[in-house]
Amino acid sequence: DTAVSQTPKYLVTQMGNDKSIKCEQNLGHDTMYWYKQDSKKFLKIMFSYNNKELIINETVPNRFSPKSPDKAHLNLHINSLELGDSAVYFCASSQVGGELFFGEGSRLTVL
Amino acid sequence: LAKTTQPISMDSYEGQEVNITCSHNNIATNDYITWYQQFPSQGPRFIIQGYKTKVTNEVASLFIPADRKSSTLSLPRVSLSDTAVYYCLVAQQGDNYGQNFVFGPGTRLSVLP
Repeated sequence: DTAVSQTPKYLVTQMGNDKSIKCEQNLGHDTMYWYKQDSKKFLKIMFSYNNKELIINETVPNRFSPKSPDKAHLNLHINSLELGDSAVYFCASSQVGGELFFGEGSRLTVL
Repeated sequence: LAKTTQPISMDSYEGQEVNITCSHNNIATNDYITWYQQFPSQGPRFIIQGYKTKVTNEVASLFIPADRKSSTLSLPRVSLSDTAVYYCLVAQQGDNYGQNFVFGPGTRLSVLP
């Protein structure tokens, strides 16, 4: 069983559209994250949720809205997509203070 | 946050030992040193973590000198499948929610036949 799974793996869309990426973890972890990896391969944290509550919200446009229906799921919804949103988005989970377990990534391409 | 500095890239040949050094001059007393590995088209994967001296697991060894201002990830006898980006992170253990998990650009290791 995949520990951290995210869908879709690839997403190609037009500017201005709204899209969502889903993430689920079956590790029983309390904390989930969204990271963005740009074309230069820098990996930056976007959001961190602990037990469905937002803990970290880095400098991310409010077009990005995370939603955690339960502690095993953390979805990312993006409104009004822009060219600069093209990147690979990684979901991750951990116990508090523990090592991160990443999903395989969702490559978003905005045309 | 303790900032880390690593070489941008390294080349090696199969069967060689590879040592990747990370500098973290501002490491705090409560900080641990963690290394992650990222293969192309995959998410980073935890390799090893340490606080001081030496830690070894089935994948790698981590050497940390007494002043803890640097650390060295050692990969014994690398193979082509070890080609990846290796990230060094410095963060506190315990009660934090990922705000200290700051990934730098990492070291791109290329293992050649």
